[in-house]
Amino acid sequence: QAVLTQPSSLSASPGASASLTCTLRSGINVGTYRIFWYQQKPGSPPQYLLRYKSDSDKHQGSGVPSRFSGSKDASANAGILLISGLQSEDEADYYCMIWHSNFWVFGGGTKLTVL
Amino acid sequence: QITLKESGPTLVKPTQTLTLTCTFSGFSLSTSGVAVGWVRQPPGKALEWLALIYWDDDKRYSPSLKSRLTITKDTSKNQVVLTMTNMDPVDTATYYCAPGGGNNWFDPWGQGTLVTVSS
Repeated sequence: QAVLTQPSSLSASPGASASLTCTLRSGINVGTYRIFWYQQKPGSPPQYLLRYKSDSDKHQGSGVPSRFSGSKDASANAGILLISGLQSEDEADYYCMIWHSNFWVFGGGTKLTVL
Repeated sequence: QITLKESGPTLVKPTQTLTLTCTFSGFSLSTSGVAVGWVRQPPGKALEWLALIYWDDDKRYSPSLKSRLTITKDTSKNQVVLTMTNMDPVDTATYYCAPGGGNNWFDPWGQGTLVTVSS
């Protein structure tokens, strides 16, 4: 089982909100991890969006709009990237990442379609 | 302003060794807490972390690739070099480098370099 699991795709309408999940493998407690989120558009390198561990331990990337935010769902053992007020420019791949057992791990990515 | 640029061969043959260089500016790898990492992405696939080197020369490797990877730094040249031995067509990917340290990791990224493994 992968350390981080992301849904492969998600569709949402312009103006709506999208909740992208990053589920940690059973036995790995989401509460103890900082979860990093990256956005990647076709033909471009990933761009850092934010990191989230708790409301008191979070960071927004430089220039990243406030409509991008992080949270956790402890019951689902998952990190969440919430994008509100979806815009067409938000259509991209999104990756989560954690530092686990002395190495970085990426999720498989979610392709977000805005239509 | 932090910038990074990856360089190296665009084509390597199976079994050959790949050597990639990350040349950066805007920060120093002699500063306590700073690190540079490598990440790759096969065409149409997900990101995969490869290796990391810290300012104090501490190194970390992906467990699945550890036997094939070596990461080194040249602080005076602001460069980090990644070597990967025994290249295979499945190693065809865009290879990225990015800085990190403390609470901030992989921001920004280099533009990446596409490496194709083919005979």
